[in-house]
Amino acid sequence: EPEVTQTPSHQVTQMGQEVILRCVPISNHLYFYWYRQILGQKVEFLVSFYNNEISEKSEIFDDQFSVERPDGSNFTLKIRSTKLEDSAMYFCASSEASTLNSPLHFGNGTRLTVT
Amino acid sequence: GEDVEQSLFLSVREGDSSVINCTYTDSSSTYLYWYKQEPGAGLQLLTYIFSNMDMKQDQRLTVLLNKKDKHLSLRIADTQTGDSAIYFCAEIPNSGGYQKVTFGTGTKLQVIP
Repeated sequence: EPEVTQTPSHQVTQMGQEVILRCVPISNHLYFYWYRQILGQKVEFLVSFYNNEISEKSEIFDDQFSVERPDGSNFTLKIRSTKLEDSAMYFCASSEASTLNSPLHFGNGTRLTVT
Repeated sequence: GEDVEQSLFLSVREGDSSVINCTYTDSSSTYLYWYKQEPGAGLQLLTYIFSNMDMKQDQRLTVLLNKKDKHLSLRIADTQTGDSAIYFCAEIPNSGGYQKVTFGTGTKLQVIP
């Protein structure tokens, strides 16, 4: 079964550094998302992306964050200058359509540790 | 905002049934999902139900929805050690999209051989 893949599985970075988290959504999917889960807290929506532009973003997704689809397969999340509180598990997800009966498929996540 | 609550931990013996509970607050029409997260893995969609349904069954999984009490449950029949994981309930209002999703904190299911 096709799946969403994320790399790396674990990223350690120093505060103030830039990180890029990578995702390859399922090939025929058109809608892409990033979520994060801070340890011990709930999974939170960050941003959704469709037709090469951001369609929705949450309050968490401030100017330090950006997303890009640099080619036909990758979908990236960049954090420009990481803070300690950015430490979390970041999940990429994709869906074929935006309707809620089109299931959301998640990747295995990237654990980001900011020191 | 919306809130989704789950108990944090459940322990069952192999072969028994597991019932994982979830309560939500959105009173509008809504989709409710169950996801499974195994260690080191992503969120795997198990099943979902729309709020105009009372029950959905899929092999060993049964979802029950009490819309009046805003209570959702996931029953796993004949629980196996491979069912050990964290189970997340998630709610999305029909008027929203996946950006409006609210997840519970997850219930860790431990299956004792």
